[in-house]
Amino acid sequence: EAGVVQSPRYKIIEKKQPVAFWCNPISGHNTLYWYRQNLGQGPELLIRYENEEAVDDSQLPKDRFSAERLKGVDSTLKIQPAELGDSAVYLCASSLGGVPGEQYFGPGTRLTVT
Amino acid sequence: AQSVTQLGSHVSVSEGALVLLRCNYSSSVPPYLFWYVQYPNQGLQLLLKYTSAATLVKGINGFEAEFKKSETSFHLTKPSAHMSDAAEYFCAVSDPATGNQFYFGTGTSLTVIP
Repeated sequence: EAGVVQSPRYKIIEKKQPVAFWCNPISGHNTLYWYRQNLGQGPELLIRYENEEAVDDSQLPKDRFSAERLKGVDSTLKIQPAELGDSAVYLCASSLGGVPGEQYFGPGTRLTVT
Repeated sequence: AQSVTQLGSHVSVSEGALVLLRCNYSSSVPPYLFWYVQYPNQGLQLLLKYTSAATLVKGINGFEAEFKKSETSFHLTKPSAHMSDAAEYFCAVSDPATGNQFYFGTGTSLTVIP
């Protein structure tokens, strides 16, 4: 069974540029999460989707971050414009829902903003 | 709000020695508790979880953890460390009272000395 797929794995951009990350969850998983992991820290939830509905986006900086999950499958996380402080690893995870915490993580996208 | 504290950001053990990684949580009700492992440049992988069944939980790779309500702890142990156990370990809590919002600790880096 294929795991959670993320692309790109690495991205280097200059500040004020836009950037987008893509996630393909495990087939059949209706819940999708985006996390940001700063160096030496645990992941912090940015947004959680149940199917195509964003049910928890309280930690998403909405002035520059946006996300979508069309058709309840793939998801895209966008930053526009990027700031130096956005340098981090962005993790996508998915779960079947109904089973707390059994999240399956992708390898992440390491973003460096210069 | 929930929080998770991992005591010791870095732990070193000799190969074959006991591994003990500490995790304490704050919650007014019994939460769900998890340990995840992260190898370099990879996503997080679930080691084990506590969801109000048996207080001693066995996971993959010989790890286990014990839920102690009186101590609000969920420490991770392994009787004999292997070199392959070297990784970052995250404790996480999910609170059923808040829609299973998920919180990670800051992580403990485990080094295994040959």
